[in-house]
Amino acid sequence: KAGVTQTPRYLIKTRGQQVTLSCSPISGHRSVSWYQQTPGQGLQFLFEYFSETQRNKGNFPGRFSGRQFSNSRSEMNVSTLELGDSALYLCASSLDITSYNSPLHFGNGTRLTVT
Amino acid sequence: KQEVTQIPAALSVPEGENLVLNCSFTDSAIYNLQWFRQDPGKGLTSLLLIQSSQREQTSGRLNASLDKSSGRSTLYIAASQPGDSATYLCAAETSGSRLTFGEGTQLTVNP
Repeated sequence: KAGVTQTPRYLIKTRGQQVTLSCSPISGHRSVSWYQQTPGQGLQFLFEYFSETQRNKGNFPGRFSGRQFSNSRSEMNVSTLELGDSALYLCASSLDITSYNSPLHFGNGTRLTVT
Repeated sequence: KQEVTQIPAALSVPEGENLVLNCSFTDSAIYNLQWFRQDPGKGLTSLLLIQSSQREQTSGRLNASLDKSSGRSTLYIAASQPGDSATYLCAAETSGSRLTFGEGTQLTVNP
């Protein structure tokens, strides 16, 4: 069974640009969540999608957005990039909206560098 | 707002030693407590998940305990090996915020 796939693995953008990251969950998983990991702030929850609907949202500005498609694949978009957006962006999938009996499965992340 | 703290931030031990990693959380209304491992440049690997109604979970040389009333969880690693070297993260799942992570404990096991 294929794991969570995130593309691209590495991305370099300049300030002011926008970027779209992609996540393909494990087959059969309906929940996809996104996290940002930085050395200073650690791992922070961005948002979660379930059945194409955003169910939870972390404390990030509106420049960060996402969506989920009918096949459960998800994308996140960051507009007007800032230097502080440089981070490892991790996607995780699970069977259901909470982890009661289905732990989160993480992808290897997309390393975004903003110059 | 849930806050998760991990102690120590870093730990270096000789191979074969038993060790304990600590995790504390401020809001006891959790769905579960999870432990993950992260290797450099990689994503997270789920190690153990303890439901809020459980006290502990075991997998191989790993044992995690949960005390909701005191807001604490520990990860016990028996007979540590160099391959155990990684960053270990605990995370509490609560309503509305999915997982709140600690800063992690960076473990180095020396041969």
